[in-house]
Formats: sequence, C-alpha cells, structure tokens
Amino acid sequence: AQSVTQPDIHITVSEGASLELRCNYSYGATPYLFWYVQSPGQGLQLLLKYFSGDTLVQGIKGFEAEFKRSQSSFNLRKPSVHWSDAAEYFCAGSNFNKFYFGSGTKLNVKP
Amino acid sequence: GAGVSQTPSNKVTEKGKYVELRCDPISGHTALYWYRQSLGQGPEFLIYFQGTGAADDSGLPNDRFFAVRPEGSVSTLKIQRTERGDSAVYLCASSLMGGQGSDEQFFGPGTRLTVL
Repeated sequence: AQSVTQPDIHITVSEGASLELRCNYSYGATPYLFWYVQSPGQGLQLLLKYFSGDTLVQGIKGFEAEFKRSQSSFNLRKPSVHWSDAAEYFCAGSNFNKFYFGSGTKLNVKP
Repeated sequence: GAGVSQTPSNKVTEKGKYVELRCDPISGHTALYWYRQSLGQGPEFLIYFQGTGAADDSGLPNDRFFAVRPEGSVSTLKIQRTERGDSAVYLCASSLMGGQGSDEQFFGPGTRLTVL
C-alpha cells in the first residue's frame, strides 16, 4: 500500500540552527512528493514538490528537500531556522487523484 | 484571485444531527477534493470530483457521508446521523485539472466539526 511516514512527531530547534525533517515513502514507482506547512488557523501551504529530474528541489521560505530513491526518503531541510518557521509540517505523496499525508511533525523554535 | 474558501469555519452539532459543509474552490479549477484531519493526524482523503462527477469516493468512511458538486464549482459535504467520531477538521482543496499526481492542490482553511 502507498504510504508516507514522518517518524518525528515533535522537533525543537534553536533559532538560527539548521533543520532537517524526515519523510519516508512507500510506493511502487517514483511518486510525486510534496511538503506542506500548516500554521494554526491557516490552510496547508505548499513549500515544495518533486516530480522527477534533479533530486534536490528548492522551495519557498528558504526550504529545500532531497529525494533519495535508495533510502525512500524525501527529507526537508533549512540551513537557518527563523522563529516564524514554528508550525506543523506535512510530507505527502500523490497518486493521481489523492494525496497520502504523513502524520506531521510539529516544529518548535527556541529563541 | 481568491483562494479556496470553506464555510462555516466552525460547526458544533449534537450526535445524530445532519450537517452540511461547504467548499468554494478557486475559480476555474476543475478538480475538487475533500479531506478529513483528525487531531494529531495528517489529512486523510475522502473524495475527489472532476467537474460535477465524483471520480473517486473511496475514502468516504461509510454511507453517512455524501458529497455533491452539482454545477462543477461549489461542493457540499453532507454527513447524516453524526457521531462523536466524526469530530475533525474537514479540508477542501482544488486543483486546475486533477487526475494527475503532479497537479498542485490548493487547500482551504478547513471547517472544524465538533459533535457533542
């Protein structure tokens, strides 16, 4: 079955520190992969997406993600976290009509 | 233009009652999706519309849940005989074409349903 797993429920980092959020997928073929961010009271906002080609994709707000087929991973990274990045992050895989979301990782940012 | 809008933003109802949740997609988007997000979980697919027809309703949990999109724009998710377990945030999304994994979905802010 197709699925996306985010192994970390909560992560706390200091402002200015680097960030990596993990995402693993289980699909028969190379999936379409996405990272979304959800702030309280806000809708899901797309950060970046991967379809094919270059395995390192750049997104908005300084985020990037790397697709690694050998590890079935699509981890999200940011070199320097800002307090405004505190939110919940969802990795998702797409199969034509629907997205399969991970359970999310809540990011806390320490001053 | 405007994004995806959903009304109401909050709905509190009693067990056994009927509720309707409305989604207004981005103008010109032919595909519309409903998801349910329970506390501490990621969104879970419910149903996908291509135009007026439900192209995939495999995520609807049971026959108490039904959705329509009669004119190919606004959609209504209908829940009969609500149960406490239906309490969740119901998200709507739209995309330009649908039916393609690469088509970006734009999400609304959701309707928080609480069943007492």
